[in-house]
Amino acid sequence: GQSLEQPSEVTAVEGAIVQINCTYQTSGFYGLSWYQQHDGGAPTFLSYNALDGLEETGRFSSFLSRSDSYGYLLLQELQMKDSASYFCAVRAGLFNKFYFGSGTKLNVKP
Amino acid sequence: DTEVTQTPKHLVMGMTNKKSLKCEQHMGHRAMYWYKQKAKKPPELMFVYSYEKLSINESVPSRFSPECPNSSLLNLHLHALQPEDSALYLCASSPSGSGKFFGPGTRLTVL
Repeated sequence: GQSLEQPSEVTAVEGAIVQINCTYQTSGFYGLSWYQQHDGGAPTFLSYNALDGLEETGRFSSFLSRSDSYGYLLLQELQMKDSASYFCAVRAGLFNKFYFGSGTKLNVKP
Repeated sequence: DTEVTQTPKHLVMGMTNKKSLKCEQHMGHRAMYWYKQKAKKPPELMFVYSYEKLSINESVPSRFSPECPNSSLLNLHLHALQPEDSALYLCASSPSGSGKFFGPGTRLTVL
C-alpha cells in the first residue's frame, strides 16, 4: 500500500521561513508533488520532484530525497496570503497513480 | 488557454434527480481526472481517462458515470445520489503525470 505523513498544522509569522515535511512509504515511486489549497478553493499545483535535490520557484522550493522517502516544501518570506492547506502527493504504483497526504494547514500570523 | 473550467460551480439536487458535471481543458493534456473532496480532507481519486479511454475506476458506485466525449471534455453523470455524496467534485488534467492542473470544482449538495 501507499502511505504519506505530513504535519496537520503549522503556524508561522509573516516574513518568516517555514518548512512542511512529507514522508512516504510507497511501492514503485515516480515523484513527489505539492499543492496549495485555500479554503473554498481548488488545489493549485506548486511543484514536482522526480529526482533528488532542491527545485526553486520564486519564494517556494521543494526538496526530495528518494533514499530517505522524504521531501519538504519550503516557503520563504511568508505572506498572509500563504495561509492555506498544503498537500504532498506521490506518483507511484503499478498504475502510476497519485496518492495525496492528509494536508498541512499553514497559519500565517502578522 | 491554460486553465481547466468546470460547470456548474454549485449544484443542489434531490436523490431522484439526474444531473451532469462538465469539465473542459484546451491545454492538450491527454490525461483527465475526476476527484471527490470532503471538507478538511485530501482529494480522493474517482476516475482517470488517458487518451479518452477510462484507465482507472477507483471502485466508484455506479450512480457516478464518467464520460469523455473528446480530448478536451470530461463529464460526470450523476443519478440517484445519496446525501453522503455531497462534496466538492474536482476535475484535473495532466500533460505527462508530473503534476495536475485542477479546475475550480463543483460544490454538490444532495438533499
